[in-house]
Amino acid sequence: ELKVEQNPLFLSMQEGKNYTIYCNYSTTSDRLYWYRQDPGKSLESLFVLLSNGAVKQEGRLMASLDTKARLSTLHITAAVHDLSATYFCAVDITDMRFGAGTRLTVKP
Amino acid sequence: DTEVTQTPKHLVMGMTNKKSLKCEQHMGHRAMYWYKQKAKKPPELMFVYSYEKLSINESVPSRFSPECPNSSLLNLHLHALQPEDSALYLCASSQEGVWTSMGAFFGQGTRLTVV
Repeated sequence: ELKVEQNPLFLSMQEGKNYTIYCNYSTTSDRLYWYRQDPGKSLESLFVLLSNGAVKQEGRLMASLDTKARLSTLHITAAVHDLSATYFCAVDITDMRFGAGTRLTVKP
Repeated sequence: DTEVTQTPKHLVMGMTNKKSLKCEQHMGHRAMYWYKQKAKKPPELMFVYSYEKLSINESVPSRFSPECPNSSLLNLHLHALQPEDSALYLCASSQEGVWTSMGAFFGQGTRLTVV
């Protein structure tokens, strides 16, 4: 059974700091997705990573995928309060499974 | 149009009621999904329709009954629900039965409360 593990589950950051969220998965896949969810809201697609070594950047967020290690990272650079949200990774093989989510709080 | 539209946004129903959730997309996607999300948890896959046929049913109780009348519409019929079924129900769509290069697009969800 596919397992998707994220860590940390909770992350409290100061504005301006850098940090990385990790997503490990248990079965070979070359497709990994990152989503953002604000409280009470739906999921917003952030990144789609489709091959080993894929790296994508949008603003202060950068995502990468290492399919050999079955690991994806979401790096946050110089965090700002607007980045406070829950971030999910998801892996798609025969079904689509989400990690538990990382609840990020950015404090002034 | 890159939207997935869900109605209603909020629903309160009694345990003996019958209600339906609706989902619509006009992106030409051939796969549509229902997810259930409890508070502070990740979305859990319930059903997948691919080319209007049910392809995945994640052992969901029969009090939840999906229906895909056409490639743009997806319904979730609810009957005799329990309070523990209260959750955010998310509809999503994707180009094919796997998310491929665009991933999945999610609707705003229906916040369901069973009383």
